[in-house]
Amino acid sequence: DTGVSQNPRHKITKRGQNVTFRCDPISEHNRLYWYRQTLGQGPEFLTYFQNEAQLEKSRLLSDRFSAERPKGSFSTLEIQRTEQGDSAMYLCASSLAGAPVDTQYFGPGTRLTVL
Amino acid sequence: AQKVTQAQTEISVVEKEDVTLDCVYETRDTTYYLFWYKQPPSGELVFLIRRNSFDEQNEISGRYSWNFQKSTSSFNFTITASQVVDSAVYFCALSGYNTDKLIFGTGTRLQVFP
Repeated sequence: DTGVSQNPRHKITKRGQNVTFRCDPISEHNRLYWYRQTLGQGPEFLTYFQNEAQLEKSRLLSDRFSAERPKGSFSTLEIQRTEQGDSAMYLCASSLAGAPVDTQYFGPGTRLTVL
Repeated sequence: AQKVTQAQTEISVVEKEDVTLDCVYETRDTTYYLFWYKQPPSGELVFLIRRNSFDEQNEISGRYSWNFQKSTSSFNFTITASQVVDSAVYFCALSGYNTDKLIFGTGTRLQVFP
C-alpha cells in the first residue's frame, strides 16, 4: 500500500505565472485535503473533497486558486497569476471517511517558490 | 472558534533526557479529536496519535506517551529517553465534530543532541 504522493516536489516560478500541483491519495481513501504551510507555521487548511465533491473551502483559497478531483481519484491544485506571497509548502492528505479511525495521512508536499 | 496553542517554540535536550511537548486547545464542540504529527527535516508529516474527546485514558507507545486532560484542555506529549532521531518539529492538531479539517498549532521544534 503506497502512501500519498505529490508532484512536483519543488516548483520555482516567476510572479504572474500559473502553476499546477498534483496529489495522488492512498488508493482506497475517499477524502482528500489540501493544506498550505509557510515557514515556521503549522499547516493551514485550504479545501477538501469527498470523492469528486468539494465539500469545504477556506477563506484562504482566493479566486486565483482552484482545486479539482475528477473521478474521485487524484486531485490538482492550480494557482493562477502567482504572487510572492504564494510561496509555501503545499501539502496533500487523504483519509477514509467512515473508518473507525478517520485519520489524515500526508504526502511529502510541493514546495513552491515564486520569484 | 477552534484554536491550538503550542507555547514552546523550540526545545533542546541531550540524548536520553525525557522531554514533554505542551499542547493547549480551544473548542466549543463537545465531540472533537486531537492529533500529534511529527515533521522531520524531510518535510513529510507523520501521524503519531489520534484521541477523541470521550477517551481521556492516557496512552503509551514505546518511548512515547500522551496525557489528555479535558479539565485543562491539554494534550501533552512526552518522549522518554530521547534519541537524536526524535529531532523534528512536532505539531498538535484539532478537528471538530462536523468538520474533518485539522487546525494545527505552530509546532515545537525539538533538537536532541548526542
